[in-house]
Amino acid sequence: SQTIHQWPATLVQPVGSPLSLECTVEGTSNPNLYWYRQAAGRGLQLLFYSVGIGQISSEVPQNLSASRPQDRQFILSSKKLLLSDSGFYLCAWSGTLGTLFFGSGTQLSVL
Amino acid sequence: AQKITQTQPGMFVQEKEAVTLDCTYDTSDQSYGLFWYKQPSSGEMIFLIYQGSYDEQNATEGRYSLNFQKARKSANLVISASQLGDSAMYFCAMSLAGTSYGKLTFGQGTILTVHP
Repeated sequence: SQTIHQWPATLVQPVGSPLSLECTVEGTSNPNLYWYRQAAGRGLQLLFYSVGIGQISSEVPQNLSASRPQDRQFILSSKKLLLSDSGFYLCAWSGTLGTLFFGSGTQLSVL
Repeated sequence: AQKITQTQPGMFVQEKEAVTLDCTYDTSDQSYGLFWYKQPSSGEMIFLIYQGSYDEQNATEGRYSLNFQKARKSANLVISASQLGDSAMYFCAMSLAGTSYGKLTFGQGTILTVHP
């Protein structure tokens, strides 16, 4: 069966510091992968998606970037974090009919 | 652009009772999918149920059913026989056919509290 791993679970970073969140999927090949962000008490916003290695599409202009160095690895990065980057970040892969299956999420606090 | 509206910020239900969580959507596309997700306090997003726009019957998954009214553009989630473990945030979401699967638009969510 497919599983998705995301780490770390929580992260506290100072403003201006770099960021790297990693997500890996097991049990499926060539998955579509996604990064979503959830602001406190709100719905999810799509940040990036990838249909294959090295293929990244950005949905909103922001201080973040994404990379897909391997088929089942998706990385969210920033060179310099802003206060507004705080939030709950969720990685996901899509199955049949576009159903999303999410990782456990990373709570990022930028101070 | 598509939009999902969940008008109930919070809902309360007694254990073992049924509850309906409202969701309306807006799209000009004819082919789309509707989803419901559950988010417990742990933060994980759990897929509950899916309804395709061309599905003639309402989707059901165990205690969850989706009341799909296409003409009214509503996709309400019905939870029967509520349990304490159903207390969570619930999100309605939509995807459009022809776009990359997984590019879901989410509503703002409804917090459901189940009382014993």
